[in-house]
Amino acid sequence: QKEVEQNSGPLSVPEGAIASLNCTYSDRGSQSFFWYRQYSGKSPELIMFIYSNGDKEDGRFTAQLNKASQYVSLLIRDSQPSDSATYLCAPYTNDYKLSFGAGTTVTVRA
Amino acid sequence: DTAVSQTPKYLVTQMGNDKSIKCEQNLGHDTMYWYKQDSKKFLKIMFSYNNKELIINETVPNRFSPKSPDKAHLNLHINSLELGDSAVYFCASSPRTGAYGYTFGSGTRLTVV
Repeated sequence: QKEVEQNSGPLSVPEGAIASLNCTYSDRGSQSFFWYRQYSGKSPELIMFIYSNGDKEDGRFTAQLNKASQYVSLLIRDSQPSDSATYLCAPYTNDYKLSFGAGTTVTVRA
Repeated sequence: DTAVSQTPKYLVTQMGNDKSIKCEQNLGHDTMYWYKQDSKKFLKIMFSYNNKELIINETVPNRFSPKSPDKAHLNLHINSLELGDSAVYFCASSPRTGAYGYTFGSGTRLTVV
């Protein structure tokens, strides 16, 4: 079983719509969760992190965490063409590392 | 000022050669990492150093040897390069053991021919 699983994508959404990205993780001891955005040919950049169950909003991004279900999600509201990228889910695991999912590629259609 | 810088950005070399990649961070972070991103874009940790001490050493061929001369620098030396080593190698750093997220360098694209 993979440590971190993300919806495989690619996910294509029209401009202005909501993009919904899902992630499940296997390590119940994970306490903090990170979402990174990676443009093609570039390095990952941190866009959101969440520690507590519930929702956390930052601009057009909302992260949702449910530790009981071992599930974390990212919503991108009012999607823009500049949001077209691969989004990586990364729980911080008990063995002191970020474990990355394979990523979900999002394409926003103008 | 670049926070995490890697050199070189591109590296093309023949099978069997030995090469090094260098990483430096000016963020004052204690912990540094090497990740490998393969052609399927999967990011996998290789090594981590906390204040010059090796704390994570994943199942990586012993042809790969990291070295951290001080907490601001982490280098990766690869012996006897193989075709399967072709990937993008990312250096990253974090304030402590990573619970606050990482800052990544721009990556080194290694192509073995």
